[in-house]
Amino acid sequence: EPEVTQTPSHQVTQMGQEVILRCVPISNHLYFYWYRQILGQKVEFLVSFYNNEISEKSEIFDDQFSVERPDGSNFTLKIRSTKLEDSAMYFCASSERTGSYEQYFGPGTRLTVT
Amino acid sequence: GENVEQHPSTLSVQEGDSAVIKCTYSDSASNYFPWYKQELGKRPQLIIDIRSNVGEKKDQRIAVTLNKTAKHFSLHITETQPEDSAVYFCAASRGQTGANNLFFGTGTRLTVIP
Repeated sequence: EPEVTQTPSHQVTQMGQEVILRCVPISNHLYFYWYRQILGQKVEFLVSFYNNEISEKSEIFDDQFSVERPDGSNFTLKIRSTKLEDSAMYFCASSERTGSYEQYFGPGTRLTVT
Repeated sequence: GENVEQHPSTLSVQEGDSAVIKCTYSDSASNYFPWYKQELGKRPQLIIDIRSNVGEKKDQRIAVTLNKTAKHFSLHITETQPEDSAVYFCAASRGQTGANNLFFGTGTRLTVIP
């Protein structure tokens, strides 16, 4: 069964550094999402993406964050200048098409900012 | 925006007993309500979902009920097994055409005691 994949599984970075988290959504899916989960807390929506542009973003998704689909398969989340509070598990998710609501999550990237 | 509340935060049951987790939501425009199971260190996995045009949905030992008037929905697990132990998240979205970001509850840690 196709799955969303993410790399790396764990990223450690120093405060102020840029990080890029990578996701490969399920191949026939058209809608892509990033969520984050701070340790022990709930999953929070960051951004959704469709047709090469952002559909919606939360207040967490400020100017330090950007997303890109650089080719036909990858979907990336970039954090320009990481802060300690960016430490979290970042999940990518995808869904198939308009009217298909189910979102399938990747295994996550644990980002640790020191 | 949408606010999803979830109770209880922890739940312990004896193997074979039933478990019930309840969620409320605030946005009357929400019409899609998935439940995710997350095992330690793993991705959230969609286990069941319900749309607002139905009041109940069942899949083997798992059922979900929805009361749109009261804005609450519940997950019922019968004949619990140790492998049901995990954190369960409810979520809500508008389920509209296009991207649908999910608003998650705070999670319930279910422990099934053998």
